This record gives sequence, structure tokens and C-alpha cells, in this order.
Amino acid sequence: QSVLTQPPSVSAAPGQKVTISCSGSRSNIGNVDVSWYQHLPGTPPKLLIYDNNKRPSGIPDRFSGSKSGTSATLVITGLQTGDEADYYCETWDSSLSAWVFGGGTKVTVL
Amino acid sequence: QLQLQESGPGLVKPSETLSLTCSVSGGSISGSNYYWGWIRQPPGKELEWIGSIYYSGATYYNPPLKSRATISVDTSKNQFSLTVSSVTAADTAVYYCARLEGNSGHWDYWGQGMLVTVAS
Repeated sequence: QSVLTQPPSVSAAPGQKVTISCSGSRSNIGNVDVSWYQHLPGTPPKLLIYDNNKRPSGIPDRFSGSKSGTSATLVITGLQTGDEADYYCETWDSSLSAWVFGGGTKVTVL
Repeated sequence: QLQLQESGPGLVKPSETLSLTCSVSGGSISGSNYYWGWIRQPPGKELEWIGSIYYSGATYYNPPLKSRATISVDTSKNQFSLTVSSVTAADTAVYYCARLEGNSGHWDYWGQGMLVTVAS
């Protein structure tokens, strides 16, 4: 059971928007930055967002991140079939002294 | 372009030691502000950080695995390695090596991943 809580699944039609939440505590999200990863089957996780809201080069602006208090959010707009994947939030937990990942959210494009 | 590649046995017997190596190409493992780490994903479960190492040899481990995991670095070969002792079926997972950006703490480059199965 991860200390970062994500919804197991979200879905929307092509072109629509999905929002993925990541709920933590003061020992993790409340004190440090959050990253988000896209994980397609058979491939390694891909960095989508770092420092809560920054995108690495090559990541389209359809992907955006934010953080407020002890929660973080990933928003995907203009949903595409290629966005079907598992999405994970990640940060440092000072109580556990460990890098921690959320349980993952499966995005389905209807 | 930085590339990481895991190698090692894909099958390990229970109670034995799992050993994996990550070869880094396209960049030096000795760069400052970067750490190198191992992350695994058991079938159907979430990603789990195992531990990280700096090129100087300083190591950091996830507390539940600290007693069984060892990470080492060979800067001359641009490689770092993982061993996990006394493995059980619970250690069956896809093992990834990855680079951690030290300032903001995000994993920016990953190996393809390697499935390691613990079975007799």
C-alpha cells in the first residue's frame, strides 16, 4: 500500500480531458516536488512532469501538472489513444527515507 | 543520448542471490548532481525504489530492502550493479536501472527493464 494514493483508473473519450490525483502527506508531497511518469506495457516509465509542473523536452503541453498542499494533479487534455497507459506520481518521503511511487492510475480512452 | 541497459540472469533460485548490472552509454556515470538507482515492479504491483548510488560510492537504500540489497559502482566501466540476497518469490519483478537527477529528484533516464523470476 503506497503512501501516495492515486485512483486505480480514469477514462474519457478521445479529445476529452482526464485528471489524475495523487494524495500524500506532509512527509512527502507537502514538502518536496512531485514527478509524474507514463508507463506503457513493455516499455520503461517515461518522465512526463518534474518539479510539480515542468515538462522535459519533447513532452507535449497536453500534459500538465500542479501541486497544492499535500496533493498533486496530472491533467491530460486532448486525449489520444496513444495516451492509454499507467501513470505514476513519485516523490521523496522523509519519514520513510525513501523515494516513493503512487499505486498507479490506468488511463483508458473510450 | 544517454542509454542504460540492464543485464544478468533472468532466473534465480529461492534463497540465492540476484545480481544485475546496468551499463551506461552516451554519458559518464561520474557526472555531478546525478545518482544511479534501481527500481522494480512486481507483476501487477506498483513501482518500488530499491536504492541509489553516487559515483563516489555513497549509497542509499529503501529501508525494507536495506538488509538484502547492495549497490556498487564501477566508474572505469561506466556501470553500476545490484545484488539482492536470500531471494524469494516476492522478489520476482521487472528490474529497472535509472538515473536520478539529484537537485529535484526525478528519474529522467531508464533502462528497458529486465524480468527476473525467482523459482526453483
